[in-house]
Amino acid sequence: AQSVAQPEDQVNVAEGNPLTVKCTYSVSGNPYLFWYVQYPNRGLQFLLKYITGDNLVKGSYGFEAEFNKSQTSFHLKKPSALVSDSALYFCAVSSGSSNTGKLIFGQGTTLQVKP
Amino acid sequence: DVKVTQSSRYLVKRTGEKVFLECVQDMDHENMFWYRQDPGLGLRLIYFSYDVKMKEKGDIPEGYSVSREKKERFSLILESASTNQTSMYLCASSTPYRGLNEQYFGPGTRLTVT
Repeated sequence: AQSVAQPEDQVNVAEGNPLTVKCTYSVSGNPYLFWYVQYPNRGLQFLLKYITGDNLVKGSYGFEAEFNKSQTSFHLKKPSALVSDSALYFCAVSSGSSNTGKLIFGQGTTLQVKP
Repeated sequence: DVKVTQSSRYLVKRTGEKVFLECVQDMDHENMFWYRQDPGLGLRLIYFSYDVKMKEKGDIPEGYSVSREKKERFSLILESASTNQTSMYLCASSTPYRGLNEQYFGPGTRLTVT
């Protein structure tokens, strides 16, 4: 069965410092991996995705993510955090063997960036 | 710009009422989804639809039904609302190409059942 784990409920980082939000996955077949962000009382916004190719994927708002097949991970990163990055972040996966476009989501990680 | 809209941002209903949540997308997407979001549980799929009048159960379909009479509109129905259905409900849409395309989300409906 497909699954996604975000091992940290909350990540705290000081503004200007690098940030990492962790994600590991389990899927049969080739994984398609996604990161979304949710600001308070809003829907989810797409940040970036990995389908194939370069393991380092760049996305919106200066975020990037690194796909690591051997560790089945897809961690979200940003070199210098902003207070405005504070939000809830979700990792999601679908399988290349699926034609439905269904995503399996992690439980979410709250990112708190302090001035 | 792509857009998914939901009929209400906040909704308060009484136990036993029939509740309709509406979702409309303007991107001509074939796939549409309904999720509920609860703290610590992430997003859980209730139902999805891959074409007009087609639907499939997600992970937690009990107590819910759906309707898709037109491509752009996907409705979630709570036949008899219960307090354990108090939650944030999110609608999403996507194109169907082998799961490669990201889902676009509406702003959500926060439903409270008293």
